[in-house]
Order: sequence, then C-alpha cells, then structure tokens
Amino acid sequence: GAGVSQSPSNKVTEKGKDVELRCDPISGHTALYWYRQSLGQGLEFLIYFQGNSAPDKSGLPSDRFSAERTGGSVSTLTIQRTQQEDSAVYLCASSITGGRDSNQPQHFGDGTRLSIL
Amino acid sequence: KNQVEQSPQSLIILEGKNCTLQCNYTVSPFSNLRWYKQDTGRGPVSLTIMTFSENTKSNGRYTATLDADTKQSSLHITASQLSDSASYICVVSEADSWGKLQFGAGTQVVVTP
Repeated sequence: GAGVSQSPSNKVTEKGKDVELRCDPISGHTALYWYRQSLGQGLEFLIYFQGNSAPDKSGLPSDRFSAERTGGSVSTLTIQRTQQEDSAVYLCASSITGGRDSNQPQHFGDGTRLSIL
Repeated sequence: KNQVEQSPQSLIILEGKNCTLQCNYTVSPFSNLRWYKQDTGRGPVSLTIMTFSENTKSNGRYTATLDADTKQSSLHITASQLSDSASYICVVSEADSWGKLQFGAGTQVVVTP
C-alpha cells in the first residue's frame, strides 16, 4: 500500500520480555517519527529520524527504549525488559522532509497496540 | 502541564448540525498548529496545518482558525455527517524543534442520526 505500515498490529507479551516494533514509512519520505499513545492520554513524542540519523531522541522515556532506522526506510523501536507501564499504542509517522520548523504533514500508521501482562 | 488544552472533552451532535471545537496552547516559540482526525483504532489523519501568518484554513467541511496573539484555535465542522464521529486532536509544533509535536488530549465527537 501507499501509506505508513506498522507491524505487528497487536502484541501481547509478559513483563520482562523484549519487544520489537516495526515501521515501514511512505516510500521517499526522509523523516520518520515514533509516538506513544497511552490509554486516555494524548500522544507523546518519542524520537525523530532524518534519514538514518536521529537528531532528536529526547522523548525516549528510559534507556530500555531504543530505535534505529536503516537504508533511510524501515525503522524498528525496541523495548527491553518491558514493564506494565509500557502498555500503549505505539504510532509511527513519516513526512516528505523533516528539519527544524517543518510544516510538512505527518502521515501516521495505525499503530501497534502493546499489552504487557 | 500539558501545553495544549482542548475543549470540550466530548460532545454529541445531531447529523447535519454544525459544531466548533476549541484549542488553547502555551507552546512557545510557535511554528505551526495542526488539526488531526483520529478514528477509533486508527492513526491520526491530518486535516489542516496553519503557520503563524495564517488565520484560517479549510478542508472540505472542516474550517480551522488561528489567533496567534491569543494562542487560540478552533475547528468548525459544517453539516456534520455520521462519518465525522471521531477524536479531533489539536497539535502544536515548537519552532526549532525538528517537527516535534505537542498534542492535545482530543475532543471526542459523536454524530447521531
């Protein structure tokens, strides 16, 4: 498809396990963003990629969270030693360009719903 | 404290009626303000993006206004349809922020027949 694709759509795992979430941005989009949406709360920014580099990692909540992007395309968000408070919907978005003061629209995937038991 | 506040939290309107959603923000320095529509279980979809110099922008039956002096925005939905039932999220981008967005909690709109 032509939109942002995220997988898996749902993930249930036990506390303490590691999880990997995948994002396939729209082809040609250089900027990629990860957000988290907890139940009843607004979205919060996690990390921004421009190409394969991450100029802004300020939203990652702890060192258990990491992300990488390869080939300027696919990105993975990894959460190690998951905790129950990590339960949320993790959304990925891409835009044609990024950079400071970007006015480009961000196109979102439908997210991965992560549940930690 | 959230830098983007939306009101009301929720509202119910009859199909065919108009409604207006409000957004107040304290984000500074300001770059742009966006309105997104989010259907249940789906990612947000962009409706409008407005910069400092823009007062109003329309997208079909959706019209957004921006008063950068008072740091207020509104989203007006005209002649509502059942498909307008969704959460509407106001999002403000900080200047110099690599496009990092500050999200409001959203207004849940329910359109009834």
